[in-house]
Amino acid sequence: EAQVTQNPRYLITVTGKKLTVTCSQNMNHEYMSWYRQDPGLGLRQIYYSMNVEVTDKGDVPEGYKVSRKEKRNFPLILESPSPNQTSLYFCAVVFGTEAFFGQGTRLTVV
Amino acid sequence: KQEVTQIPAALSVPEGENLVLNCSFTDSAIYNLQWFRQDPGKGLTSLLLIQSSQREQTSGRLNASLDKSSGRSTLYIAASQPGDSATYLCAVKDTGRRALTFGSGTRLQVQP
Repeated sequence: EAQVTQNPRYLITVTGKKLTVTCSQNMNHEYMSWYRQDPGLGLRQIYYSMNVEVTDKGDVPEGYKVSRKEKRNFPLILESPSPNQTSLYFCAVVFGTEAFFGQGTRLTVV
Repeated sequence: KQEVTQIPAALSVPEGENLVLNCSFTDSAIYNLQWFRQDPGKGLTSLLLIQSSQREQTSGRLNASLDKSSGRSTLYIAASQPGDSATYLCAVKDTGRRALTFGSGTRLQVQP
């Protein structure tokens, strides 16, 4: 069964404290991406990766970093989180015409 | 830049009603359009995917149509059930891009 696993599911942190949200897939697909979802704005792409060591900015990359050292993992890094990064985050794997999403990480920055 | 709009933002109907959710997009050069369901605390589940060359797709009680020239898609849900209560998201994939552009969703409540 195709799976995209994110951790943690919920996180409350303080402004400026570095954090990482992990994402792993069991499908061996190349394309992975991160989205954030905010009320009234839908899902917006933060970063994406076409393959190992190949990453690029999406529509809202400011304040985020990613890395892709191996095909199955695509962590999202917030070096210095701020309250405007409070959101629901989704990792997605796209293969051909299909998109598979993780269960989401609800992040609150206080 | 592609923009996707979903109307209505919220909808409450009694069980058994047939209903239509609307999605419109500004750039007709799309590769495909996908409807997702989002349940609280869970990820997105793909419901139907329509390729740009197709007019509609059906799965059980769900039927999605696509009119690329007018920039519209509709999701038709027949004989709605309380278990259909969720947020429904429309997303388009533009030609030449892998990213999906999402609408902000329609929150559906089906009353028993």
